[in-house]
Amino acid sequence: AQKVTQAQTEISVVEKEDVTLDCVYETRDTTYYLFWYKQPPSGELVFLIRRNSFDEQNEISGRYSWNFQKSTSSFNFTITASQVVDSAVYFCALSEQGTNAGKSTFGDGTTLTVKP
Amino acid sequence: SQTIHQWPATLVQPVGSPLSLECTVEGTSNPNLYWYRQAAGRGLQLLFYSVGIGQISSEVPQNLSASRPQDRQFILSSKKLLLSDSGFYLCAWSKGQGYSYEQYFGPGTRLTVT
Repeated sequence: AQKVTQAQTEISVVEKEDVTLDCVYETRDTTYYLFWYKQPPSGELVFLIRRNSFDEQNEISGRYSWNFQKSTSSFNFTITASQVVDSAVYFCALSEQGTNAGKSTFGDGTTLTVKP
Repeated sequence: SQTIHQWPATLVQPVGSPLSLECTVEGTSNPNLYWYRQAAGRGLQLLFYSVGIGQISSEVPQNLSASRPQDRQFILSSKKLLLSDSGFYLCAWSKGQGYSYEQYFGPGTRLTVT
């Protein structure tokens, strides 16, 4: 069975600090996809990134970067020089090849608060 | 481009009343559709998903039901609401026929059962 663990329930940082959100997953499939979503206070989840299990290259998009390590089953998300607008709940999710309808298993989310 | 609509945005309903939440997707065909519920301060709970018209799979037994009368329309219903049905309901879609696609979420409906 697939499982996603986001051990950090809440994180609070001061603006301009770097912050890393942890995501650890469990799966028996060798082929799977990992995702990160952002849920700002408005409530609508926004897709941030998708990564497949065969691509362990780290990815950087502006202040956001993602570190995928199959050896530790982790897909961590780092925000560099955080800003108040980064305050949100962040969800990590996993979708296995054998899953019908592309269902994803979501972690419980990490609430990030960036203080000015 | 694709867009997803949900309505109403907020809803306050008494216990025992019926419920109907609607979700429509534009700009794509044959999407997978999903209903989630999020309790205050909690994660996402998948309620139903659908791979096609009339095809509904339930993830959690409860007094809710879902229907997909048209390709891009997904409806969440209840005959009698319970207090525990309060929450934030999110509809989402993804490209069909695959497990690799990300989901796109609607703006959500905040339901309060009183």
